Amino acid sequence: QSVLTQPPSASGTPGQRVTISCSGSSSNIGSNYVYWYQQLPGTAPKLLIYRNNQRPSGVPDRFSGSKSGTSASLAISGLRSEDEADYYCAAWDDSLSGLYVFGTGTKVTVL
Amino acid sequence: EVQLVESGGGVVQPGGSLRLSCAASGFTFDDYAMHWVRQAPGKGLEWVSLISGDGGSTYYADSVKGRFTISRDNSKNSLYLQMNSLRTEDTALYYCAKVHIGAVAGIDYWGQGTLVTVSS
Repeated sequence: QSVLTQPPSASGTPGQRVTISCSGSSSNIGSNYVYWYQQLPGTAPKLLIYRNNQRPSGVPDRFSGSKSGTSASLAISGLRSEDEADYYCAAWDDSLSGLYVFGTGTKVTVL
Repeated sequence: EVQLVESGGGVVQPGGSLRLSCAASGFTFDDYAMHWVRQAPGKGLEWVSLISGDGGSTYYADSVKGRFTISRDNSKNSLYLQMNSLRTEDTALYYCAKVHIGAVAGIDYWGQGTLVTVSS
């Protein structure tokens, strides 16, 4: 069961900026790094953002991440057709037994 | 180049068992913790289990605790998931994933997945 809440969908026209939110709690986002993953249709997820706001090599700087308190967000600027995908946030949760939690996922559509 | 190749998926009846394997290459396997993550058809990602680099620490999602066992053989650069008492709701694509360097659990590489279907 996901404990990180994301909007189910987001959309924009080419060139626009789209922002995806990820809401958690003090035991996950509030005390651990947030990671973001992009899943293109029919493919495995791919790392997009690590440690809240860091981009792996090869990820365009159109993608940016931020975190404040128990929430995080992913922004895509200069939206392109190839950005149409599902996006997931994730964080470790310092609960009793420890667990890794994913967000509910956001489908980004390029209009 | 990091490569993670899962195998062992298939069709199994409810109550049955299955063992998934993940062959890793392109990195020093025993330096990194490893995950299993699953995705039911048309659904989101669900974390299943995590194992430390030396295999000494394991963690499980409540949905699989007591039924699934994660393990690794560092001499073979392989990760495993023993799945017992399978239920229809365990039907999913199962991904093997590597933990990012220096991270508690963040993932940097994913395999392509192996499909498990639990059906009578």
